[in-house]
Amino acid sequence: SAVISQKPSRDICQRGTSLTIQCQVDSQVTMMFWYRQQPGQSLTLIATANQGSEATYESGFVIDKFPISRPNLTFSTLTVSNMSPEDSSIYLCSVGEGGETQYFGPGTRLLVL
Amino acid sequence: EDQVTQSPEALRLQEGESSSLNCSYTVSGLRGLFWYRQDPGKGPEFLFTLYSAGEEKEKERLKATLTKKESFLHITAPKPEDSATYLCAVQAGWGGGNKLTFGTGTQLKVEL
Repeated sequence: SAVISQKPSRDICQRGTSLTIQCQVDSQVTMMFWYRQQPGQSLTLIATANQGSEATYESGFVIDKFPISRPNLTFSTLTVSNMSPEDSSIYLCSVGEGGETQYFGPGTRLLVL
Repeated sequence: EDQVTQSPEALRLQEGESSSLNCSYTVSGLRGLFWYRQDPGKGPEFLFTLYSAGEEKEKERLKATLTKKESFLHITAPKPEDSATYLCAVQAGWGGGNKLTFGTGTQLKVEL
């Protein structure tokens, strides 16, 4: 399976600011995804990062709040904009081929004060 | 709407004490059911994919089974290193795209 890294691994941010999270894969992959894991809750898909086109967002998530880039087949970024304490969460990227098994990165732990 | 319910929320076992974790699901056409293991501070680690009722897969002390309504993760003679949160997820086959819908997990603690 692909080796996935995320930066930063954790951060503490002030409300109203923005944070960009990077996801790097060691091989070219078709599908990349961004999930959120809030404390005590299940992983929730934010969006699918499409190479060469706009990301596809799930219900309840919007591009203005979570802009995503996918400049090539090995890299994606997720920005959490205008943060509030409710955005404190673990953000995870995952990759998949053929729409089946997804492999996850180590996650980015975000605390918003 | 696809739903996944895992039980129990937490489970404490003695080393060697076998048990099962449950994952009940409702989905509009199952494309796949996935089991992951998540250790504290880490991302989910893939364990198994099951596609159709009656399918079983094994890996070391773990065995996953699937029916039309639920999946079980059987843990035989667990060791302390099996302590983790076990996550179940489903992928819908009918218009669900590639989205995984997760349960909230079962937190397993195996004690000496």
